[in-house]
Amino acid sequence: DAGVIQSPRHEVTEMGQEVTLRCKPISGHDYLFWYRQTMMRGLELLIYFNNNVPIDDSGMPEDRFSAKMPNASFSTLKIQPSEPRDSAVYFCASSPFRDSNEKLFFGSGTQLSVL
Amino acid sequence: QQQVKQSPQSLIVQKGGISIINCAYENTAFDYFPWYQQFPGKGPALLIAIRPDVSEKKEGRFTISFNKSAKQFSLHIMDSQPGDSATYFCAARGRYGGSQGNLIFGKGTKLSVKP
Repeated sequence: DAGVIQSPRHEVTEMGQEVTLRCKPISGHDYLFWYRQTMMRGLELLIYFNNNVPIDDSGMPEDRFSAKMPNASFSTLKIQPSEPRDSAVYFCASSPFRDSNEKLFFGSGTQLSVL
Repeated sequence: QQQVKQSPQSLIVQKGGISIINCAYENTAFDYFPWYQQFPGKGPALLIAIRPDVSEKKEGRFTISFNKSAKQFSLHIMDSQPGDSATYFCAARGRYGGSQGNLIFGKGTKLSVKP
């Protein structure tokens, strides 16, 4: 298996623009997580899905952030409009375990820079 | 706010030495304590994990020591190698599931092993 695949690897955009980050989880994994990583706050859980259904979105910072999982093999994280403080590395992770946090498989992340 | 406090922020060790990273937590409802390893440009990957019913777990050169009464746990890397140079994150998970069951990450320790 190729692992969790994220795209793009790098995204540079201007403030106010819409940004869409994409994730393909490992086939057969029922859980999908979106994390944000910054120097100041470390790794923060934004939202997670179980069987394509959002379970906990309490980490989503603002209404500007939204996430979808239209099918088992694809998820998006959208920021609209983007702001400079959204600059971070965004990770997608998936897990096959019923107890979802036993082992997370992370993608390589998307480095987002909002100018 | 549940927290996992990790120290030191950075660590430099000579090849062959012992690397020690410490974490402390406050929530006694945590029941699972993993360590993740992250190389530059990659996502974190599970390295080793422990549950509070044991005081130590060893996998190769990596050992977790767990002190339940002090609410502390640490990662020891024996015979540290330049290839171990990475950022290490401790984490903790609550036992009650739902939002309580989300992983809480420490802010990371950047380890550099000098040849």
